[in-house]
Order: sequence, then C-alpha cells, then structure tokens
Amino acid sequence: KNEVEQSPQNLTAQEGEFITINCSYSVGISALHWLQQHPGGGIVSLFMLSSGKKKHGRLIATINIQEKHSSLHITASHPRDSAVYICAVRFRSQGGSEKLVFGKGTKLTVNP
Amino acid sequence: EAQVTQNPRYLITVTGKKLTVTCSQNMNHEYMSWYRQDPGLGLRQIYYSMNVEVTDKGDVPEGYKVSRKEKRNFPLILESPSPNQTSLYFCASSLSRNSNQPQHFGDGTRLSIL
Repeated sequence: KNEVEQSPQNLTAQEGEFITINCSYSVGISALHWLQQHPGGGIVSLFMLSSGKKKHGRLIATINIQEKHSSLHITASHPRDSAVYICAVRFRSQGGSEKLVFGKGTKLTVNP
Repeated sequence: EAQVTQNPRYLITVTGKKLTVTCSQNMNHEYMSWYRQDPGLGLRQIYYSMNVEVTDKGDVPEGYKVSRKEKRNFPLILESPSPNQTSLYFCASSLSRNSNQPQHFGDGTRLSIL
C-alpha cells in the first residue's frame, strides 16, 4: 500500500519568508501532484512532476525519484499564499489500475 | 470558460433517500474522478473513469455508484445514503489518464446525511 506523508502538518510564516513543504511516499510512482486548497474549499492543481523541477512564479516544485521525496517551495511568501497544500501521488496498483493517493495536507498561514 | 461543474453545492438529506450528485466538464476530458474529503483523512478516491463506459473503483467505493454514458458527465449516485457518507465531495477531470495531465477540480459538494 502506498503511503504519502507530508510535513509539516501546520506552518505559520511571516510575509516574505521562504517556505518549504515536504512530501514522502513509499512505492514507485508515475507522477506526483501538488494541489492548493483555499479556505473556501476550492482545489487548484499547481504542479505535476515525474522528474526534476518545475517553477511557476514564486512556486517551485522538485522531486527526487530515488529518494521518493518531493518539496514545494514558496519564495517571498504573501498572506494570499495561506491555504492547505496537498501532495498526491499516482501509482499502478497490483491489480493494474491507476490509483491516486493523497497526503493529509499542510496548512500554511502567512501573516502580514 | 473551462470548468468542472458540480451540483448541488450543498445538500442535507436523510438516511436511505437516494441522491445523485452531478458532475459535468466542458473541456472534452477523457478522465474523470470522484473524491471525498474528510477531516484527518484527507482526500480519497471513490471512483474514476478513463473514458465513456469505462469506470473503475478507487479506494473507497462502497456505498457509491457512478456512470459514464457521455464524455462530459460523471454522476455520483448514493443509492441508500448513510450518515458515514457525510463528507465534502469533489469531482475532477483531466485530458487523459496520462500521468502528466493536470486535474481540474469542481468547487465541491458538501453532503450531510442525517
């Protein structure tokens, strides 16, 4: 069974700080997703990674396949970055079907 | 505007009364999926569909049914709802089952089963 662990569970930062959220998983995957869920509940897909690094604005996502680990970084954090960040991994189950397993999320609060 | 539309957004109902949550996407996506989100458990996949007439169970399919008669629609059916199905539900779609495609999420449906 694939487990997805995120750390930290909660993170409070001051505006402008560099943020790192970590995600570890236990089996081989075909892709990893980072999602953002705002207080209103809506979910937005930020990144999909199968290798290397991706950047979008102030957000950077990296993945190390060998170490089964991914990080989401936010540079120059802003209060509007306050949200729950969710890591999800896609893998092929023993039965051959593709499964998507989610971490429990990291709640980020950025104070002005 | 490209979007995934879920209805209703909120529903309070009683045990045993059949209900359907509709999901529709206007992006011609092949892959659609339903998730439930519960405190402390995160998001869990209920069912998914790789194309019309092709559906498969996710991690928590018990008590749910789905159908995919048309590409754009993927309704979630609770034949006999029970209180343990009280949850926040999300529908999502992506262009294909290919793992490098982003998922687009609906706004969520909050179900309360009394």
